[in-house]
Amino acid sequence: DVKVTQSSRYLVKRTGEKVFLECVQDMDHENMFWYRQDPGLGLRLIYFSYDVKMKEKGDIPEGYSVSREKKERFSLILESASTNQTSMYLCASVRGTGYYGYTFGSGTRLTVV
Amino acid sequence: SQQGEEDPQALSIQEGENATMNCSYKTSINNLQWYRQNSGRGLVHLILIRSNEREKHSGRLRVTLDTSKKSSSLLITASRAADTASYFCAKMEYGNKLVFGAGTILRVKS
Repeated sequence: DVKVTQSSRYLVKRTGEKVFLECVQDMDHENMFWYRQDPGLGLRLIYFSYDVKMKEKGDIPEGYSVSREKKERFSLILESASTNQTSMYLCASVRGTGYYGYTFGSGTRLTVV
Repeated sequence: SQQGEEDPQALSIQEGENATMNCSYKTSINNLQWYRQNSGRGLVHLILIRSNEREKHSGRLRVTLDTSKKSSSLLITASRAADTASYFCAKMEYGNKLVFGAGTILRVKS
């Protein structure tokens, strides 16, 4: 069964900490995405990547960065965590052409205290 | 930006009834997709409808697309308690990027 795996289901971090959220997919997909989900706001795109070492800003990139050193792994980095980054973070991947559904990970619920 | 807007925000029905959720969007699309999310989990892809298609079926799911009205609907027939979840429509934009709406919360009572 194809999979997108997020390293943690729940995470609690302190304000100011540097936080790494890891995502790994086993489907050889070119495209990977990071979303955050907040009640009433749906999913908002933070960053995405078309290929290794490629990255593009989504709608809400401020306070985040990403890394994609290998095709299967896409990391989201919170440079200095703040309480307004408390959220559910969802990673997804899809193959190239735009006519396939995304495969999502189970999500990481991050709480910044 | 949220380009897909779902209606209603919440829906409560009895098992066996049909559930209809609607989605509107503002700009042209490549395709439109529907996803389900069980409480606190990741999203699961349900169905994709291309801009040149009008209707698509998958099991108990039926999706319609009206590009002139910029709207889509998801119909779940003969609903079950296990269908209780949040449902999202998502518009495919340039660069293989999906833009999601805020979702419809469906509760199916047994």
